[in-house]
Amino acid sequence: EVQLVEAGGGLVQPGESLRLSCAASGFTFSSYWMHWVRQAPGKGLVWVSRIRGDGRISNYADSVKGRFTISRDNAKNTLYLQMDSLRVEDTAVYYCTKDFDSWGQGTLVTVSS
Amino acid sequence: DIVMTQSPDSLTVSLGERATINCKSSQSVLSSSNNKNYLAWYQQKPGQPPKLLIYWASARDSGVPDRFSGSESGTDFTLTINSLQTADVAVYYCQQYYSTPITFGQGTRLEIK
Repeated sequence: EVQLVEAGGGLVQPGESLRLSCAASGFTFSSYWMHWVRQAPGKGLVWVSRIRGDGRISNYADSVKGRFTISRDNAKNTLYLQMDSLRVEDTAVYYCTKDFDSWGQGTLVTVSS
Repeated sequence: DIVMTQSPDSLTVSLGERATINCKSSQSVLSSSNNKNYLAWYQQKPGQPPKLLIYWASARDSGVPDRFSGSESGTDFTLTINSLQTADVAVYYCQQYYSTPITFGQGTRLEIK
């Protein structure tokens, strides 16, 4: 059974950093694209970033480009999202997903002064 | 960016009846290499992550009841839910994964009359 468990969310001030992680199990992690998708409170789904199975290709939404960095450790079956220079508008539940067919429960990031 | 526009924003349907949700992409999401539309549908219930229902515009994901079906006509896509059940109350999203940034529709809220 595929399991994705996000961690690392919390309350931070604007301009601060946070690192999310997503522990994966139940599938061959290195074989799949992995994505981060976020959802602001009461709003819709927004794709944030993706990374190829070997980690060599990654893409970002314009809204986070230059501030967020996606990475993965295939030896640890873990996906990461390093979020720097956080803004109030980054407040959301962040989901990791295995190529959109399996999703974690999400972790809440709140950016507020 | 490919813009995905869903209609209606909300929908109220009687138990046992049919619900139809539409999604229009601002440009083609059809790949010439495999003749597939890179279009998916998701169901999201309150407090839960999204669940993949349909991919390649009309292929049901594993375990999805055959009451759910997807169809396509050019850049217009439709999710049909037959024999509506109370468990179908949710927000439904379409998504294109043809090109980055991957984009979602704004969501359609489905309620029972």
